[in-house]
Amino acid sequence: DGGITQSPKYLFRKEGQNVTLSCEQNLNHDAMYWYRQDPGQGLRLIYYSQIVNDFQKGDIAEGYSVSREKKESFPLTVTSAQKNPTAFYLCASRTDNSNQPQHFGDGTRLSIL
Amino acid sequence: AQKVTQAQTEISVVEKEDVTLDCVYETRDTTYYLFWYKQPPSGELVFLIRRNSFDEQNEISGRYSWNFQKSTSSFNFTITASQVVDSAVYFCALSEANFGNEKLTFGTGTRLTIIP
Repeated sequence: DGGITQSPKYLFRKEGQNVTLSCEQNLNHDAMYWYRQDPGQGLRLIYYSQIVNDFQKGDIAEGYSVSREKKESFPLTVTSAQKNPTAFYLCASRTDNSNQPQHFGDGTRLSIL
Repeated sequence: AQKVTQAQTEISVVEKEDVTLDCVYETRDTTYYLFWYKQPPSGELVFLIRRNSFDEQNEISGRYSWNFQKSTSSFNFTITASQVVDSAVYFCALSEANFGNEKLTFGTGTRLTIIP
């Protein structure tokens, strides 16, 4: 079945470590997005990419990095520069058709050890 | 800057009651899109509706209905005859009409609990 797969579901990070969250989609969508969700808050946009080899910063990009080497993959790296990385991370994708909404993955919950 | 306000942090109703979730938005764009998403306990966001700013017709889908009023910048969501499966966090969101570059601004969500 077509969809968005995020892995792992739970991830633990030690202080000073970089960790990478995976997001893969087989929907042939052009655009992909990363959001961060904190308890009691809405989702905030970290990075987004409209095409391969191109991506843009969102509202809270500091301490994060991304790559878009393949259409179906948009991994997010949480670097040691992100001082408060504990959150729920959601990946989304969308076709270029302006009438279609973003579709979301199941999320990755990142915690600090 | 765009902003979405969901003033109701938590709502609890008894099963079969009707419930309305409020959403108020701010934008300087004349063309924009409004959304509602549902987040069940499993965590994923489930798309419910997308409405463009030129379409103020109310929409009904089964037990769900949406009331879009540009005059009050509101896009409220009503669940009729609520069921336990409706328990979730509901998010209202707004995006500018920049085709191919849809950046969503989310509200803080309303946690809805349906009591059996």
